[in-house]
Amino acid sequence: KQEVTQIPAALSVPEGENLVLNCSFTDSAIYNLQWFRQDPGKGLTSLLLIQSSQREQTSGRLNASLDKSSGRSTLYIAASQPGDSATYLCAVRPGSNYQLIWGAGTKLIIKP
Amino acid sequence: GAVVSQHPSRVICKSGTSVKIECRSLDFQATTMFWYRQFPKQSLMLMATSNEGSKATYEQGVEKDKFLINHASLTLSTLTVTSAHPEDSSFYICSAAPMGGGAADTQYFGPGTRLTVL
Repeated sequence: KQEVTQIPAALSVPEGENLVLNCSFTDSAIYNLQWFRQDPGKGLTSLLLIQSSQREQTSGRLNASLDKSSGRSTLYIAASQPGDSATYLCAVRPGSNYQLIWGAGTKLIIKP
Repeated sequence: GAVVSQHPSRVICKSGTSVKIECRSLDFQATTMFWYRQFPKQSLMLMATSNEGSKATYEQGVEKDKFLINHASLTLSTLTVTSAHPEDSSFYICSAAPMGGGAADTQYFGPGTRLTVL
């Protein structure tokens, strides 16, 4: 059974720092992996999607990597800003049927 | 881009009443829609998978008679919380998967509905 874990559960860093959020999964046979952002009381915003055959994806200051063999993905945020404060969720799609297995999220606070 | 809307965004109701939440894909057709609930400071919990024209598939522990799901068209799915009680208070989020996969081959999420049962 696929399980997704995110560490740390919470992170607080000063503005301007680079940071890394971690996601691990127990079964390396995945279809893709996706990182989402959720602001308090809001829905989800998709940040990056990495297909099973890819190693990384980049969007602006965000870079997500995928290492299937070790069951790990990282989300790298460069030059963090207070507006990056949110909960970041990692989700693994095990197969082609669109269902997602979710991590518990990392709550990120960027201090001005 | 693909947009999913939910209505209402927030609802407060008395215990014992039923509440209907709508999920619409605005600019694409979705053969599959998903319903999630999220408790404070917790991740999303999949409640059920809804396929257009067929009965929803409920996850273990989710009461199908309490959470009625209807996916009557390729752009609309509804979740009805019947005889709501305070423990049903939660944040409900829907998502939709485009028919044929779409360019991004992913689910698109609605903004969520905050249900408070008094």
